[in-house]
Amino acid sequence: KNEVEQSPQNLTAQEGEFITINCSYSVGISALHWLQQHPGGGIVSLFMLSSGKKKHGRLIATINIQEKHSSLHITASHPRDSAVYICAVLSGTASKLTFGTGTRLQVTL
Amino acid sequence: EAGVAQSPRYKIIEKRQSVAFWCNPISGHATLYWYQQILGQGPKLLIQFQNNGVVDDSQLPKDRFSAERLKGVDSTLKIQPAKLEDSAVYLCASSLEGASPGQFFGPGTRLTVL
Repeated sequence: KNEVEQSPQNLTAQEGEFITINCSYSVGISALHWLQQHPGGGIVSLFMLSSGKKKHGRLIATINIQEKHSSLHITASHPRDSAVYICAVLSGTASKLTFGTGTRLQVTL
Repeated sequence: EAGVAQSPRYKIIEKRQSVAFWCNPISGHATLYWYQQILGQGPKLLIQFQNNGVVDDSQLPKDRFSAERLKGVDSTLKIQPAKLEDSAVYLCASSLEGASPGQFFGPGTRLTVL
């Protein structure tokens, strides 16, 4: 079992839909990252969370430390949101990032 | 502020050939990471440098992979000889200090081994 699990693996939505991507982890963490990866490989950091909720534009990220769970929400989705969204956790004294396998999002017109 | 630079962006080689990737981190970032991302998987850390010293290379296949950061700034990752299973995107990232928060990623190098 992976230390970081994401769901769903693939998601197709129509423009304007509200989207939720989930991340569950099994280790104690000091922070959780949500990352966006476009075709071609480049990764952009969207959020870093250690508690509560953060919002940036149409993106909202929440984390529940007790339940070891985080969600990434996209409101009013747009085709330009199409990308792979990756959850990564920072854990332990090693300060390593452990990555989920990603959620591939396709937003259609 | 300039981001993390990587080159080349794409590389196609035949198995048993050698290849090298280059990374220039954000100015002032002491920590540099090389990740390997195989299609459909999350990135896997290959090696972490703090300035010009290696912090973690536990997942680096040392029989064929090598990396250096001689002056504590830019870094090269080499594969010699390449195998088919080395086909992946190689990502470089940097951060101000040893901890990963605030890690900035480069655009990656997509390697195809034929």
